[in-house]
Amino acid sequence: NAGVTQTPKFQVLKTGQSMTLQCAQDMNHNSMYWYRQDPGMGLRLIYYSASEGTTDKGEVPNGYNVSRLNKREFSLRLESAAPSQTSVYFCASSEAWGRLFFGSGTQLSVL
Amino acid sequence: GQQVMQIPQYQHVQEGEDFTTYCNSSTTLSNIQWYKQRPGGHPVFLIQLVKSGEVKKQKRLTFQFGEAKKNSSLHITATQTTDVGTYFCAGPPNAGKSTFGDGTTLTVKP
Repeated sequence: NAGVTQTPKFQVLKTGQSMTLQCAQDMNHNSMYWYRQDPGMGLRLIYYSASEGTTDKGEVPNGYNVSRLNKREFSLRLESAAPSQTSVYFCASSEAWGRLFFGSGTQLSVL
Repeated sequence: GQQVMQIPQYQHVQEGEDFTTYCNSSTTLSNIQWYKQRPGGHPVFLIQLVKSGEVKKQKRLTFQFGEAKKNSSLHITATQTTDVGTYFCAGPPNAGKSTFGDGTTLTVKP
């Protein structure tokens, strides 16, 4: 039972490049989330998916897109990376709005 | 909108001293969760409080939910080096916002 799996763990991009962060959970949770965490700050919600087939914007969605591919997988895409998107990204899942289970995170640097 | 404020931002203690972090919301919360994040790690769920005035204990950790359900606290008795990390409170999401506090980072000097 792996829980929430995120890939990659580290990524360096040049400004303007695109990439997709992958996330998968094996707990049969309906809800999945993408957060970013900047130094000294809490977790800010980028996008979430309350159930398969639905996605909604969080508080900082600009510059990102998401896909809820199926119940297990929720990907985050940066179409044209900017230095302001340098951050640590966490995927999480939960049953409804309950306890969150987090992945191990992706450290992204945009040069 | 709903905001969750957490204080202090940093706390440095000598091993064996107590530690408390406080969480305050501008609105009534249906529940509050607490998470711990070790340096370089990911947030890990500690507990959820639901009832007004609720107090829960986990070994040396005591969690309280205020009577008005607008504030909460986490108290650690006799800190150990293993307690090092950042402690976050989180209210339930509201209008797409995650309502995580900014966290309190605890360092423990042996």
